[in-house]
Parts: sequence; C-alpha cells; structure tokens
Amino acid sequence: DQQVKQNSPSLSVQEGRISILNCDYTNSMFDYFLWYKKYPAEGPTFLISISSIKDKNEDGRFTVFLNKSAKHLSLHIVPSQPGDSAVYFCAASISNTGKLIFGQGTTLQVKP
Amino acid sequence: DAGVIQSPRHEVTEMGQEVTLRCKPISGHNSLFWYRQTMMRGLELLIYFNNNVPIDDSGMPEDRFSAKMPNASFSTLKIQPSEPRDSAVYFCASSPSGSTGRYFGPGTRLTVT
Repeated sequence: DQQVKQNSPSLSVQEGRISILNCDYTNSMFDYFLWYKKYPAEGPTFLISISSIKDKNEDGRFTVFLNKSAKHLSLHIVPSQPGDSAVYFCAASISNTGKLIFGQGTTLQVKP
Repeated sequence: DAGVIQSPRHEVTEMGQEVTLRCKPISGHNSLFWYRQTMMRGLELLIYFNNNVPIDDSGMPEDRFSAKMPNASFSTLKIQPSEPRDSAVYFCASSPSGSTGRYFGPGTRLTVT
C-alpha cells in the first residue's frame, strides 16, 4: 500500500522555465511533508519542507504547495537550471512516530 | 563534519551468499534508519533504531533480512541468503532524536546474480 505516490516517473523541462513536481498521499494523519533531492551515486539530501498548518513555503527558487483537501503537494522550481537535474522524492510523516514515508521519486531533467 | 558513512559502496554477489552492509551514523544522532531504493517502490523504510534499540522492523521484507546496532556508532544490515530480487540501493540515514529530517549516506548498490 503506497501511502505517498509520485505518479510521474520523469519530467523534462527547458532551462529557465518552471518545473512542477507532484505528489499525492492517502493518509490524512500526515502532518509534515518534505522534498528530498538525489544526485546519482549520492544519498538524498533535504530540500524543503512544509507543515500541514501551512499551504505554502518558499525558499529561493523552490516553493512547496500543500492542498490538504486534495491530499496533494507540489514542488515548483523557478527558474529551472541544469544543476536541478536529479531525482526528487516527496516524503510525509506523522509527528512523534519517527516514520518518514517516501514516494517513488521523479527524475527531473533540465535541458540547457 | 563527516556525514553518514556506508560500506561497501558496491557489492556484487551470487545468489545464496550472505551479504553484510555497514553504516556509521553521524556522531550524536540517536536515530538510525535503513532504506531500500527500487524503481517500483522508491525509498522503502526497512527498519529504524532509536538509541540502538530497534523500534520498527515492519518494513523488513522477510526473515532473510536482519539488522543490528551494537553501539551508537555502528549498524549492520545482513541478507542471508541473498536473492536476485534483493538487488537495489540500500541507504542508511541518521537523525537527532525527534527530528523528522534524515541525513542519508551515499548508499550501497547491491547486485545479486
């Protein structure tokens, strides 16, 4: 049972344009959401997060949007750069459980 | 500061052999996690420890998998006997107690032929 789903395995975007990565979840108890970025031959690294009490969090070129009613979150990258090419994982957790559930990942390619 | 250290980085073994993956968490981190990455399921949590004690091993696929954390600076994930379907990248991660974030190691790419 996949509680966190990233339905797009890959995404290709032109440099300078917006990249939108999507994530859906099924468990309404999730109250904290994170995005991780992974380059080849490296472990995932934290990118940005959002609490369920917010609907938007912005950090430079990266913005995460949360729609609780739709159980959906998205990561926007504007403008996209070739160095953003990586695998992006969405993750969700329930406070005080210690568990962080990841999605399958979306491979983003930003073309120069 | 050294991050999470995993060894080996690559492991190729034949079906039926025992495989042991190793992890050294970040000093001071009380929680340690083992994840497996596959194309179909992404990053799956296999087991996690808090203060060296296994808290949740519900993600361990079957009895062929076992994990230990004998002290705060070392953990192992063992597969015995290994099977081709175990081929994946295995990540170790650590975090301070109560933190949702994870600090991942570089992973071990396991290939079972």
